[in-house]
Amino acid sequence: GQNIDQPTEMTATEGAIVQINCTYQTSGFNGLFWYQQHAGEAPTFLSYNVLDGLEEKGRFSSFLSRSKGYSYLLLKELQMKDSASYLCAGLDSNYQLIWGAGTKLIIKP
Amino acid sequence: GAVVSQHPSRVICKSGTSVKIECRSLDFQATTMFWYRQFPKQSLMLMATSNEGSKATYEQGVEKDKFLINHASLTLSTLTVTSAHPEDSSFYICSARAGSESEKLFFGSGTQLSVL
Repeated sequence: GQNIDQPTEMTATEGAIVQINCTYQTSGFNGLFWYQQHAGEAPTFLSYNVLDGLEEKGRFSSFLSRSKGYSYLLLKELQMKDSASYLCAGLDSNYQLIWGAGTKLIIKP
Repeated sequence: GAVVSQHPSRVICKSGTSVKIECRSLDFQATTMFWYRQFPKQSLMLMATSNEGSKATYEQGVEKDKFLINHASLTLSTLTVTSAHPEDSSFYICSARAGSESEKLFFGSGTQLSVL
């Protein structure tokens, strides 16, 4: 079956660094997405990885290892506004997104 | 980036009435649109996939007669919740894809439906 696993909740301190992990099992693989979602709002796109390695975009970086079925989202210099849910989603061979349940990130001052 | 406009953002209706939600791609042609619903503190649940000019493909457990999807043009898809009941209250979100390129997937802003 297809499955995306990520932690339910994480807590970090303002100004620190946090890594949110995601493991995936999909029928075929056409890439992995990370989305940010604030409560009551639609998700917003953060990153897309289809090749192994780290991609950096400002304070956010995303890493993919296809051989391990593993990805992580790295957030640096955390700000209070980063408090949100972070959704990991894998794209299968039919280009359908398989969503994780999301990781709620709580930032404390 | 590309913009997907979804409205209304919030709707409150009486039980038994029908509600239509629109999803428009403003600066690109959306060959495929997806409709999701999301309950509080839960992830997105795909309801259906619609391709322009053809019937929508519904996920298992989603009633096609209750959730009518129309994708009549390359820029517009609509979801109609027919004979809404309180259990249909949810956050509904559309997303659109410009083509087969996987990274071009954009979300609407969502519609919070409350059925009294």
